[in-house]
Amino acid sequence: KAGVTQTPRYLIKTRGQQVTLSCSPISGHRSVSWYQQTPGQGLQFLFEYFSETQRNKGNFPGRFSGRQFSNSRSEMNVSTLELGDSALYLCASRGGLAGDSGYFGPGTRLTVL
Amino acid sequence: AQSVTQLDSQVPVFEEAPVELRCNYSSSVSVYLFWYVQYPNQGLQLLLKYLSGSTLVKGINGFEAEFNKSQTSFHLRKPSVHISDTAEYFCAVSAASGAGSYQLTFGKGTKLSVIP
Repeated sequence: KAGVTQTPRYLIKTRGQQVTLSCSPISGHRSVSWYQQTPGQGLQFLFEYFSETQRNKGNFPGRFSGRQFSNSRSEMNVSTLELGDSALYLCASRGGLAGDSGYFGPGTRLTVL
Repeated sequence: AQSVTQLDSQVPVFEEAPVELRCNYSSSVSVYLFWYVQYPNQGLQLLLKYLSGSTLVKGINGFEAEFNKSQTSFHLRKPSVHISDTAEYFCAVSAASGAGSYQLTFGKGTKLSVIP
């Protein structure tokens, strides 16, 4: 079974730009969650999508958005990038039930200059 | 809302010695508990999880954890560590039901360094 794929793996942007990250979940999984990992704040939940609907959202500004397609692939977008958005962005693929720990992708390392 | 405290940010231990990584949580509702490991430049890998039943949970790579509801703890243990266990370990919690069950709340992580 293929694992979770995240593209791109590395990205460098400048302040004010926008960026789109992609996550392809494990086949058959309908839930995709996104997390931001930084040295200062650790791992923080961004949002979760299930069957193309956002089911839960973390405490991030509106510049962070996401969507999920009918094939369960998900994208997250960050507009008007700030230096503090530099982070490792991880997505997790789950079947969708409570208690399902999920499988994490390798992450996208975003650097904002 | 849930919160997780990992009491040690760094734990050095000699190879073949036992190790315990401590995790305490806070929640007003029933929770599920998880331990993940992260190797450099990689995502998170599940070590073990507690959903219900026996409070002693066994995971991969020889790790185990014990759920203690009265002390709200979920400490991770391994009787004999190897160099390859050097990594960062994260304790996480999710609500057992409701909207909070769809997200994980993580601790700040514990960096385990195994000394040859």
